[in-house]
Amino acid sequence: RKEVEQDPGPFNVPEGATVAFNCTYSNSASQSFFWYRQDCRKEPKLLMSVYSSGNEDGRFTAQLNRASQYISLLIRDSKLSDSATYLCVVVLNTGGFKTIFGAGTRLFVKA
Amino acid sequence: ETGVTQTPRHLVMGMTNKKSLKCEQHLGHNAMYWYKQSAKKPLELMFVYNFKEQTENNSVPSRFSPECPNSSHLFLHLHTLQPEDSALYLCASSQHSGSDYEQYFGPGTRLTVT
Repeated sequence: RKEVEQDPGPFNVPEGATVAFNCTYSNSASQSFFWYRQDCRKEPKLLMSVYSSGNEDGRFTAQLNRASQYISLLIRDSKLSDSATYLCVVVLNTGGFKTIFGAGTRLFVKA
Repeated sequence: ETGVTQTPRHLVMGMTNKKSLKCEQHLGHNAMYWYKQSAKKPLELMFVYNFKEQTENNSVPSRFSPECPNSSHLFLHLHTLQPEDSALYLCASSQHSGSDYEQYFGPGTRLTVT
């Protein structure tokens, strides 16, 4: 079983749609969680951290469910510029810190 | 953006060549990372340095040799690579190597091994 799993997509949605991505992780030693965004042929960039209480940043909402070991990202009112690959990132604390990236979910927002 | 720079941006090398990738961060960070990104696969963490000390070697073959002379510079020395080593090699830095710190990535070096 992969340590971090994401639906690879692609998700094809019209502008203005709401889209949700899920990510599951297998190691209960997972301590911190993030969503990164990677545009085509570019480097990954942090989109937002994910907190236990859930957090929102404009049109983006992230949730963490430790009991079920998954995190989610909700994008409301999708824009063309949201088209990218969204990477789920988990940091394990097993004595040292280890960062594990999911394979990413591709999103295409169409006019 | 010039927070994390990498050179060269593209590299083609034969299996018998020796080359080095360079990464420099201008953010005052203390931790630096090397990742490998192959097509349709997740980023794979290769090495982590915190305050110039290697803290993670993720079972990387010895044909990849990292070097961190100071907190701002990170090198990846390559020798006798295989075609399957062709990938995008990304460098990143963060304030420290702890769990809560955002990682800032460089643009990557696209490596092709012939």
